[in-house]
Amino acid sequence: QQPVQSPQAVILREGEDAVINCSSSKALYSVHWYRQKHGEAPVFLMILLKGGEQKGHDKISASFNEKKQQSSLYLTASQLSYSGTYFCGTFAYSGAGSYQLTFGKGTKLSVIP
Amino acid sequence: DTAVSQTPKYLVTQMGNDKSIKCEQNLGHDTMYWYKQDSKKFLKIMFSYNNKELIINETVPNRFSPKSPDKAHLNLHINSLELGDSAVYFCASSPWDRFSTTTEAFFGQGTRLTVV
Repeated sequence: QQPVQSPQAVILREGEDAVINCSSSKALYSVHWYRQKHGEAPVFLMILLKGGEQKGHDKISASFNEKKQQSSLYLTASQLSYSGTYFCGTFAYSGAGSYQLTFGKGTKLSVIP
Repeated sequence: DTAVSQTPKYLVTQMGNDKSIKCEQNLGHDTMYWYKQDSKKFLKIMFSYNNKELIINETVPNRFSPKSPDKAHLNLHINSLELGDSAVYFCASSPWDRFSTTTEAFFGQGTRLTVV
C-alpha cells in the first residue's frame, strides 16, 4: 500500500518555506525522499531510519515519527533549483519476506522568482 | 560511467506490437526494479527482482514480463502493446539488506514509450 503525500502541489516564492507530509497506514521501517525534475529521473535526497530521526541536506531537512507513521520534508529559504516533484517512498511488505520500495503520488513544488 | 542505464530512451510503436526495454546497472546491486510513471507523474512499482526472486505487483497485466539474464540486467518485455501502456518506464537498482529498507535506489534515465 502506497504512502499518502500532502499537499499535491505548492507554489512558493524564492526564500519561502514549505513542508511536505508523508503518512502510511502501515508500520514504517524507513522513509525515503526523492526529487524529480521535469524530464529527469528521480534523485535520492535522504533516508530516515529511526523514529524521531531528523536529517538535513543543505536547507532541506526531514523528520520521521515512527509511532505516528509519518514523515515531513522541510524546505527552508527555497531556491529556484528546489522546483520539482518530491516523492516519499516506503518499503511495503510484499510477502514471503520481501519488501518493495513504494512511492506516494508526489508533491509538485514550484518556486518562482 | 552511467550507474543505471536504460535503452532505448524513446520508443514509439503501434498497438499490438511486442517490444523490450533493456536495463543494466554497474553498481553491483542485488535488487532491481521497474516503475511506470504515467502522465499524472505517479511512480507505480511494477516488479522488483532480488537474487532471482521476482515480486510482481498484482495490478500489472501479464503482458508485461521481466527477464533477468544476470544480476546486472533486468529487461522488460511487453506483448500486445495497448494505448494505455504509454508512459515513462524507469528501471532502478539498490543494494540489498535483509529488509531492503535502508538503502537508496538509483534510477535510470527512463524510457518514454508511446503507443500509437
